[in-house]
Amino acid sequence: AQSVTQLDSHVSVSEGTPVLLRCNYSSSYSPSLFWYVQHPNKGLQLLLKYTSAATLVKGINGFEAEFKKSETSFHLTKPSAHMSDAAEYFCVVKNSGYALNFGKGTSLLVTP
Amino acid sequence: EADIYQTPRYLVIGTGKKITLECSQTMGHDKMYWYQQDPGMELHLIHYSYGVNSTEKGDLSSESTVSRIRTEHFPLTLESARPSHTSQYLCASNGDNQPQHFGDGTRLSIL
Repeated sequence: AQSVTQLDSHVSVSEGTPVLLRCNYSSSYSPSLFWYVQHPNKGLQLLLKYTSAATLVKGINGFEAEFKKSETSFHLTKPSAHMSDAAEYFCVVKNSGYALNFGKGTSLLVTP
Repeated sequence: EADIYQTPRYLVIGTGKKITLECSQTMGHDKMYWYQQDPGMELHLIHYSYGVNSTEKGDLSSESTVSRIRTEHFPLTLESARPSHTSQYLCASNGDNQPQHFGDGTRLSIL
């Protein structure tokens, strides 16, 4: 089965500085990968998805992620953090069929 | 923006009560899912459905049950709630080859 590992449980950045949230995956074939964001007391919102097209994927709110097969990574980045970006971020891999495997999440804190 | 609704948003209830968590979507999606999420943890799939009259158990064992009588409706039921059922429950749906869209969740506390 495919799985993901989010390398940092907490990340803290200053407003206006870059964001990097790290995710590694394990897969026996080309996976479908996603990043979701969860704000407090809310459900999950899709930020972006990779489905074997371009390796650099652009998402909503200025986020993007790069699929690197050689490193089995799918890190999420944003050039400049906003206070509203503070949330929980989940890296997700889609198994064959229906199943999604979620990482444990990274809590992003943005300080003024 | 996906239209998927969960009610109630918050529920605090005593042990032994029967509980039904509602989930409805207006997009005509065939596939619907229930996930359980404990604080600070990842989501675990507990039930899913591929369409009307189709229900399957997910990866995480759960004492809850689900039904799918109508395409838009996928309620989850706990016959006798226990403190171990305290958690957040998230409903999701998707069409073919589309990402899953999530509701805002129900935060359940069993006293």
